[in-house]
Amino acid sequence: DAMVIQNPRYQVTQFGKPVTLSCSQTLNHNVMYWYQQKSSQAPKLLFHYYDKDFNNEADTPDNFQSRRPNTSFCFLDIRSPGLGDAAMYLCATWDSDNQPQHFGDGTRLSIL
Amino acid sequence: GESVGLHLPTLSVQEGDNSIINCAYSNSASDYFIWYKQESGKGPQFIIDIRSNMDKRQGQRVTVLLNKTVKHLSLQIAATQPGDSAVYFCAEIGGYNTDKLIFGTGTRLQVFP
Repeated sequence: DAMVIQNPRYQVTQFGKPVTLSCSQTLNHNVMYWYQQKSSQAPKLLFHYYDKDFNNEADTPDNFQSRRPNTSFCFLDIRSPGLGDAAMYLCATWDSDNQPQHFGDGTRLSIL
Repeated sequence: GESVGLHLPTLSVQEGDNSIINCAYSNSASDYFIWYKQESGKGPQFIIDIRSNMDKRQGQRVTVLLNKTVKHLSLQIAATQPGDSAVYFCAEIGGYNTDKLIFGTGTRLQVFP
């Protein structure tokens, strides 16, 4: 059974049109992460939540925002997508108990 | 469309041979290390982990070695199989922000029959 679920698996949006990606977890982990992964590159951390405590990476563009309304759900909002934002977006969770992070299968975002 | 990324280092091995994938990590304060396998179109999948108080850990067909002196991590896969073909990433956590997981560059493993 999938423990970290990302919807949709594929998302197409237009240049400049806001888009929201969603992630849910059944693990009750207190940490949730969003990563951006471009072709042939390692996942790059955008931000993460420790419970409701939001931690933004210094180089994450202001165009990217996140919401975590409860333990199970986390959203990635891209306010005005540009062509350079086309990528795979990965969500991960962790229980901060030195167990490995669990990843979803990602949402592949295309920009027209 | 998506921009072209860096070319991943590639390791090509014959089926049945042993594979060794290397990784250099950056933060001497990191205390927890993980190897992930990523197949095309999927998220990273946990393979094996190791704490900084250990220098070796074994799993099923996989072994991770940690050398803290030179900040080096390796993944050994015994009797490599075609299903092992994927991109492998090392990741580190700990140090100044213990919630933060940072990935290394990645290595593409290709297994030939």
